[in-house]
Amino acid sequence: QKEVEQNSGPLSVPEGAIASLNCTYSDRGSQSFFWYRQYSGKSPELIMSIYSNGDKEDGRFTAQLNKASQYVSLLIRDSQPSDSATYLCAVNIELKTSYDKVIFGPGTSLSVIP
Amino acid sequence: NAGVTQTPKFQVLKTGQSMTLQCAQDMNHNSMYWYRQDPGMGLRLIYYSASEGTTDKGEVPNGYNVSRLNKREFSLRLESAAPSQTSVYFCASIPGQGPYTEAFFGQGTRLTVV
Repeated sequence: QKEVEQNSGPLSVPEGAIASLNCTYSDRGSQSFFWYRQYSGKSPELIMSIYSNGDKEDGRFTAQLNKASQYVSLLIRDSQPSDSATYLCAVNIELKTSYDKVIFGPGTSLSVIP
Repeated sequence: NAGVTQTPKFQVLKTGQSMTLQCAQDMNHNSMYWYRQDPGMGLRLIYYSASEGTTDKGEVPNGYNVSRLNKREFSLRLESAAPSQTSVYFCASIPGQGPYTEAFFGQGTRLTVV
């Protein structure tokens, strides 16, 4: 089992709809979870971070975390064509040495259709 | 404020050739990472350095070596390049141990091995 898994997509949604992206992880000790957006040919950029169970909202973006189910999601409301990108889920895998290791999922390609 | 700088941006190698990818950050971060990204695979961790003087293997270390030259610089070496190492390579830095915040990425190196 891979440490971080995502639906590979591609996911297509019409403009104005809600896009839902999902991520599961295997390490129960993980404490920090992140969503990065990556446009084609560019570097990933952080859009959301979440550390506690529940929802965290930032503008049109909502991250949801359920540690018991080892599940993280990202909702994008009122999707825009500019949201078309690959979304990467990242998990901070805590190590016994106390140093952290960051593992990324394979990414979900999102296409917002005008 | 340069952030994370990778060199070179593009490189074509012949099978069996060697090269070193350079990465430098000016944010005084403790942790640095090397990832490779292939279509549909997301970011896969090659090696990471939690602090100056330490390096550890990630998910796909075979065929690579790294050097944490100092706090600023973390290089990735391919001793004998193979076509399977054709990929986009990203260097990233993170402030340090403890609560993880955000990974800052370089602009990437697109490597082709023929």
